[in-house]
Amino acid sequence: GQQVMQIPQYQHVQEGEDFTTYCNSSTTLSNIQWYKQRPGGHPVFLIQLVKSGEVKKQKRLTFQFGEAKKNSSLHITATQTTDVGTYFCAGNTDKLIFGTGTRLQVFP
Amino acid sequence: DTGVSQNPRHKITKRGQNVTFRCDPISEHNRLYWYRQTLGQGPEFLTYFQNEAQLEKSRLLSDRFSAERPKGSFSTLEIQRTEQGDSAMYLCASRGDYGYTFGSGTRLTVV
Repeated sequence: GQQVMQIPQYQHVQEGEDFTTYCNSSTTLSNIQWYKQRPGGHPVFLIQLVKSGEVKKQKRLTFQFGEAKKNSSLHITATQTTDVGTYFCAGNTDKLIFGTGTRLQVFP
Repeated sequence: DTGVSQNPRHKITKRGQNVTFRCDPISEHNRLYWYRQTLGQGPEFLTYFQNEAQLEKSRLLSDRFSAERPKGSFSTLEIQRTEQGDSAMYLCASRGDYGYTFGSGTRLTVV
């Protein structure tokens, strides 16, 4: 079945540093979604990418969808303590298949 | 409140007991999903409904698990003869035009 992997598993950064998480699917995706889950919380939708090579920005967050539609990345510029949480990519067909997640810790 | 509502928020049960969780999705969303999440892992797909029809069930959903959505609105997830391995967060989500909206989940602890 479809598998979605993310690296790194954990990332600790100093506030103000940049952060990137990478997502790779074993199969070509029709589209990909990104979610953020705060500690003790539930996944919250961030964005959906559909087109090959697509790049979308949300303030300090930049999302990319690979040309082959099998990989994606999320880059956060100048992290803040409010960015703490686990970031999941999810391949979207009839259902979401979540990646393994990257847990971000930001030290002030 | 226009979000996805789940109850109870927490459930502690003895091994072997049956439990039932409820999910009330966003009213205009016709697709409803159940996921299970254990500590440090991503949510794992269990099953989903389009209106009242259950369209897919994961292999994770053993015979002890059953889900219903009788009128195409709220859904229930029942676990019979609970085992310690069933301890997890059970998340419900409904699907809109873009992203999925998740409820706060029901945390099940089997002792």
